[in-house]
Amino acid sequence: KQEVTQIPAALSVPEGENLVLNCSFTDSAIYNLQWFRQDPGKGLTSLLLIQSSQREQTSGRLNASLDKSSGRSTLYIAASQPGDSATYLCAVRGGSRLTFGEGTQLTVNP
Amino acid sequence: EPEVTQTPSHQVTQMGQEVILRCVPISNHLYFYWYRQILGQKVEFLVSFYNNEISEKSEIFDDQFSVERPDGSNFTLKIRSTKLEDSAMYFCASRTVVNEQFFGPGTRLTVL
Repeated sequence: KQEVTQIPAALSVPEGENLVLNCSFTDSAIYNLQWFRQDPGKGLTSLLLIQSSQREQTSGRLNASLDKSSGRSTLYIAASQPGDSATYLCAVRGGSRLTFGEGTQLTVNP
Repeated sequence: EPEVTQTPSHQVTQMGQEVILRCVPISNHLYFYWYRQILGQKVEFLVSFYNNEISEKSEIFDDQFSVERPDGSNFTLKIRSTKLEDSAMYFCASRTVVNEQFFGPGTRLTVL
């Protein structure tokens, strides 16, 4: 059974800092990995999708990497802003379903 | 930009009542999903639906749950006899063949 873990559970940084969120998964037989953003009481916004054959994806200030063999992914956020404050979720797709981690709650302080 | 929509945004029901949660997936998508998130917990997969049938379901998705695509646009989740522990945010999602899953804004279900 796939298990997804995210570290740290919470992170507080000053505005402008670069930061890294970590995700690990136990079963490397995945199709892809997605990073999502969730604001309190809201839905999930897809940030990046990395296919299992890819190593990296970039979108604006976000860069996600995938090391499938070691079961790890990182989400790098450059020059963080207060508007980046949210919970960031990592999810892996094996079969049809996505399996989610518990998320990292990020607070960016002005 | 196309998006997944869900209605209602909040549903309050009495224990034992039936509820139907509604979703309109993105129009050219082929795979449809329901997930739920109990307050303070992980997002959990419930069921996936493709070509008018269930393709995968979790152990949570027991006989109390059913899904339907009654027409070309709607996708519904029915809970026959709600329990207190069914209180959660329910998310619908859809995707094309190889791409990412897009999620709706969710329906908050409160069972009293």
